[in-house]
Amino acid sequence: AQSVTQPDIHITVSEGASLELRCNYSYGATPYLFWYVQSPGQGLQLLLKYFSGDTLVQGIKGFEAEFKRSQSSFNLRKPSVHWSDAAEYFCAVGAVYGNKLVFGAGTILRVKS
Amino acid sequence: DTAVSQTPKYLVTQMGNDKSIKCEQNLGHDTMYWYKQDSKKFLKIMFSYNNKELIINETVPNRFSPKSPDKAHLNLHINSLELGDSAVYFCASSQTVQGNGNTIYFGEGSWLTVV
Repeated sequence: AQSVTQPDIHITVSEGASLELRCNYSYGATPYLFWYVQSPGQGLQLLLKYFSGDTLVQGIKGFEAEFKRSQSSFNLRKPSVHWSDAAEYFCAVGAVYGNKLVFGAGTILRVKS
Repeated sequence: DTAVSQTPKYLVTQMGNDKSIKCEQNLGHDTMYWYKQDSKKFLKIMFSYNNKELIINETVPNRFSPKSPDKAHLNLHINSLELGDSAVYFCASSQTVQGNGNTIYFGEGSWLTVV
């Protein structure tokens, strides 16, 4: 069965600093990997996804993520964080032909000025 | 136009009541879902329908009954509401295309509070 671990419950960074949010997954076959963001009181917005091909994927709002099969990781990065990036970030894994996303527990990002 | 829309966005109701949350998608997708986000923000799938047919039914009390009148709609009916049903319920949809993955698009959520 699929599973996702986001080891950091909270992360605080200064505005303008770089950011990396960690995600490790467990899945027996080729995974489809996603990062979603949820702002307070809002729904889920897709940031980026990995299906195949280039292991470095670009997303919206200046985010990128790198798929590392050897480490079963799909970490999210941003070179310079803005105060508006403060939100909760969810990593998710889906099966190649399946219909079910399994989510990590989320990482809350706080941005200090 | 909102791709996946669900109503109501906020719902406060008393224990024991029956309530429904409606969901519609205008993306032409063939698969729809209900996810539940509990008070600890943990997201978990409840149901999935493909072309109006139930394909995923996780361990959910049978007080929860999804209904899909057509592939663009998936409603969630909850009977005899309990305090523990308080959560955010997300509707979602995707197009199941073999070999191409299936990005799941979420609605904005329905905040259900049972008092």
